[in-house]
Amino acid sequence: DQQVKQNSPSLSVQEGRISILNCDYTNSMFDYFLWYKKYPAEGPTFLISISSIKDKNEDGRFTVFLNKSAKHLSLHIVPSQPGDSAVYFCAASGNQFYFGTGTSLTVIP
Amino acid sequence: DAGITQSPRYKITETGRQVTLMCHQTWSHSYMFWYRQDLGHGLRLIYYSAAADITDKGEVPDGYVVSRSKTENFPLTLESATRSQTSVYFCASSEGSAEAFFGQGTRLTVV
Repeated sequence: DQQVKQNSPSLSVQEGRISILNCDYTNSMFDYFLWYKKYPAEGPTFLISISSIKDKNEDGRFTVFLNKSAKHLSLHIVPSQPGDSAVYFCAASGNQFYFGTGTSLTVIP
Repeated sequence: DAGITQSPRYKITETGRQVTLMCHQTWSHSYMFWYRQDLGHGLRLIYYSAAADITDKGEVPDGYVVSRSKTENFPLTLESATRSQTSVYFCASSEGSAEAFFGQGTRLTVV
């Protein structure tokens, strides 16, 4: 049973607009929630994380929001750039890291 | 080189053969992980290790064996490769639950 779910396999956004990637989880005991970015033929690279005791974390163009009551997190990218085109994985951690299935983001110039 | 490295990057093997994928990290992280990435499944955990000589099963451990005699190395062995084990394999390490660092991946094809 998948503990972390990304229900949108793909997303297309115009350059300069906001990209919103969503993720749902089932286990309320997770300590951290993370977003990873993956380019083809490369390993996933860490993007941003949020502790379970916070509801927002911002790093430049990237902001992660956590809604614990809904067991939902989202990643906002503003403004979106063509170099942001990649697969984004959300993850939740406890004693191990649980990953979603990924969302492929395409930013159209 | 500092970081986490996997070898080989690409491997083709025959059904029934034993194959070992190597993972080496230079940070002395306590935790190490093996994931496989398949279309529609994302990253699925095969095995993980909390320290040297401590390993535990993940979501999809069948057909795989791991060992961790040294903190920096975490090899993954397919004892008798099957076509269903054709995948991209990623090793990762971490020193807690805040972040994991991934290797470049090994693309394994079983024919």
